[in-house]
Amino acid sequence: QVQLVESGGGVVQPGRSLRLSCAASGFTFSSYDMHWVRQAPGKGPEWVAVMSYDGNSKYYGDSVKGRFTISRDNSKNTLYLQMNTLGHEDTAVYYCAKGSAATGTYYFDHWGQGTLATVSS
Amino acid sequence: EIVMTQSPATLSVSPGERATLSCRASQSVSSNLAWYQQKPGQAPRLLIYGASTRATGIPARFSGSGSGTEFTLTISSLQSEDFAVYYCHQYNNWWTFGQGTKVEIK
Repeated sequence: QVQLVESGGGVVQPGRSLRLSCAASGFTFSSYDMHWVRQAPGKGPEWVAVMSYDGNSKYYGDSVKGRFTISRDNSKNTLYLQMNTLGHEDTAVYYCAKGSAATGTYYFDHWGQGTLATVSS
Repeated sequence: EIVMTQSPATLSVSPGERATLSCRASQSVSSNLAWYQQKPGQAPRLLIYGASTRATGIPARFSGSGSGTEFTLTISSLQSEDFAVYYCHQYNNWWTFGQGTKVEIK
């Protein structure tokens, strides 16, 4: 079955960096776009970034554009999120999520358990 | 950005009763609307996609309806395991979520 396991969260000071990873299994990782979605405490989810199945395209939400970088290694079935210049507003549980289809319009059919990133001095 | 607005914020319902949750999109999303259930400390769980199609393994007491800008999630007879937060999610134009409806025990 599909498994997505995030890691790399922790407590970091404002202005510092953090790198998250998501190890995928149970499906053909290289065939699906992969996403990062975050959820601040008590809030609804917020889409953060997407990388295409082949790594050729990537897009970001406005709140993280220019600070976060999404990447993937299809040989390792792993998705990454490099987060730089972190601020208190970036405190959230970060989920990786799989697109429901290889092409076209799709929702998120599988989510990892999430990893908590806390920005605090 | 398409803004998703859910109502009510909190719904108090007795076990066995019917719950009706609403979601409105700031512009048409066609039928590209999903619903998720989230329990404390857990990831969102897909319930409904395509506005009305139940995901694999989801009980028939969950049903979705609507298209365009107005959507509804109905839980026909609430079970103890259904008390949770529910989010709507549009995937017609990028991806955005509502702020959630908490279904609590009355």
